[in-house]
Amino acid sequence: DVKVTQSSRYLVKRTGEKVFLECVQDMDHENMFWYRQDPGLGLRLIYFSYDVKMKEKGDIPEGYSVSREKKERFSLILESASTNQTSMYLCASSPRTGVFTEAFFGQGTRLTVV
Amino acid sequence: GENVEQHPSTLSVQEGDSAVIKCTYSDSASNYFPWYKQELGKGPQLIIDIRSNVGEKKDQRIAVTLNKTAKHFSLHITETQPEDSAVYFCAASIGAGKSTFGDGTTLTVKP
Repeated sequence: DVKVTQSSRYLVKRTGEKVFLECVQDMDHENMFWYRQDPGLGLRLIYFSYDVKMKEKGDIPEGYSVSREKKERFSLILESASTNQTSMYLCASSPRTGVFTEAFFGQGTRLTVV
Repeated sequence: GENVEQHPSTLSVQEGDSAVIKCTYSDSASNYFPWYKQELGKGPQLIIDIRSNVGEKKDQRIAVTLNKTAKHFSLHITETQPEDSAVYFCAASIGAGKSTFGDGTTLTVKP
């Protein structure tokens, strides 16, 4: 089974802190994604990556950056955390086998910024 | 960009009844439509998907229909069970695994 592992289930950080959310997948997938999940707003794409050292902005990239130094690892960085970044963050991966590819999600990281 | 609308936002049914969740999309180039189920404390997991060259797909108690002309697709769950209670997301994808998600439907199946 594909496994996508997010390093933390719960995080509490202070306003202004630099925050790292880590994600590792074990199935050699080319594509990796970071989504933010808020009640009533579904899943919104923050950033995605199709290959090592590649990244592309999603729909809500402001206030975030990403890093993909190795194929299996995709990190989301909050340069200066703010209270409006309190949310559930979901990492996902998918194989680059064409158009029809499902995404495999991690269990999520619930981040609270105080 | 793509816009996906999902209805209803909440749905409550009696055990054994059917549940239907509907989604519309805006970009006619979308050609892959997955449905995900998210249980409490877990990430979303694919339950069924449909490609744009198919009108209907069924997997046991779950079926999905797609109307490309009208740009809408639906999830049908028959003989619902309490373990079907979860949040369901529809999504539309043009390619490379990048999907636009609906806002989610919270399904509650009452015993």
